[in-house]
Amino acid sequence: NAGVTQTPKFQVLKTGQSMTLQCAQDMNHEYMSWYRQDPGMGLRLIHYSVGAGITDQGEVPNGYNVSRSTTEDFPLRLLSAAPSQTSVYFCASRGTAPYEQYFGPGTRLTVT
Amino acid sequence: GQQVMQIPQYQHVQEGEDFTTYCNSSTTLSNIQWYKQRPGGHPVFLIQLVKSGEVKKQKRLTFQFGEAKKNSSLHITATQTTDVGTYFCAGRRGNTPLVFGKGTRLSVIA
Repeated sequence: NAGVTQTPKFQVLKTGQSMTLQCAQDMNHEYMSWYRQDPGMGLRLIHYSVGAGITDQGEVPNGYNVSRSTTEDFPLRLLSAAPSQTSVYFCASRGTAPYEQYFGPGTRLTVT
Repeated sequence: GQQVMQIPQYQHVQEGEDFTTYCNSSTTLSNIQWYKQRPGGHPVFLIQLVKSGEVKKQKRLTFQFGEAKKNSSLHITATQTTDVGTYFCAGRRGNTPLVFGKGTRLSVIA
């Protein structure tokens, strides 16, 4: 059981480039989510999904797209990277009661 | 929208001292969860509180949920260097997504 995996661990982009952050889980969880973590800001929800084919926006969705074609995978796409998107990105999946969230190891993204 | 505020932002303690972090919500919560994130790591679930006035203990950690289900606290007795990290509370109202507080970063001086 690998839990939640994320790739890559580190990424440097130039302004305007696009990329996809990968997230996969092997726990058959329906609920998955993406967060960004900035110093002093805690964890802010970007997008979430309650199951394959269903996604919704969180608190800070602008500049990001998601899709959920399978239960296992929940990729996050940056359409045109901006320096404001420099952050650590965590993917999480949520099981049944007590509905704890399992976080991946994170992707540290720098946009120059 | 729903907000979850957490204080203090930072806490430095001597090893063996106690530590408390407080969480306050602008709205009544269905439940509250606590997570710990070690430096350089990812958040790890500690506990969930659901009932009004609930108190749960995990070894040296005591978690409380307020009677009005709008506030919560985490108390660590006799801190150790292994307690270092950032502690987050996260609240949910009904079926809405979890909202995280900004966290309390704990440093323990040996």
